[in-house]
Amino acid sequence: GAVVSQHPSWVICKSGTSVKIECRSLDFQATTMFWYRQFPKQSLMLMATSNEGSKATYEQGVEKDKFLINHASLTLSTLTVTSAHPEDSSFYICSGDRGQGETQYFGPGTRLLVL
Amino acid sequence: AQSVTQPDIHITVSEGASLELRCNYSYGATPYLFWYVQSPGQGLQLLLKYFSGDTLVQGIKGFEAEFKRSQSSFNLRKPSVHWSDAAEYFCAVGFRTRVTGNQFYFGTGTSLTVIP
Repeated sequence: GAVVSQHPSWVICKSGTSVKIECRSLDFQATTMFWYRQFPKQSLMLMATSNEGSKATYEQGVEKDKFLINHASLTLSTLTVTSAHPEDSSFYICSGDRGQGETQYFGPGTRLLVL
Repeated sequence: AQSVTQPDIHITVSEGASLELRCNYSYGATPYLFWYVQSPGQGLQLLLKYFSGDTLVQGIKGFEAEFKRSQSSFNLRKPSVHWSDAAEYFCAVGFRTRVTGNQFYFGTGTSLTVIP
């Protein structure tokens, strides 16, 4: 159990366009969902934390107007990269937990390449 | 401030040899402790976790980890490494506060190379 999916798994887009990434918990209700960004050969950097039905909490230095997060239900969160630029190219990973600081279950990641 | 340290950026072991990956954390209380593994271009897979109780925890793929409160450590071990274990390993700590809710911190990762 505790499977998280992400869609798409990879995406290539032109500079200036917006890209939406979906994160779904398939067999559990994710009280909290997290979005991470990972650069090559580096650790995961937390971008934001979202609870269902409320606004996301962004980490310092992460532009909330650029990285729009919507957590509409206990099984779905979306990350929209608005007006993407080449420096936004990265590996984006989401995760969900059941609350109480419990285990985070990670999606397989979405690789974004902005040309 | 809370932190997670993985002192070894890269480790190379021979197939069949034993393995120990180090992890130290800095936090006022005992957090929840995790080890994840990431294969190239993939998401993270949970190997094992410690919440409370027995300080030696068993995980998947033959891994185990031992929590040592006195050393604030949670080292990952495997008695005999397989070539398929080559990957990036992340230690993580999680905890919950009334003010900030769930918090989760990752170490910088240890890259494991296995030579035949």
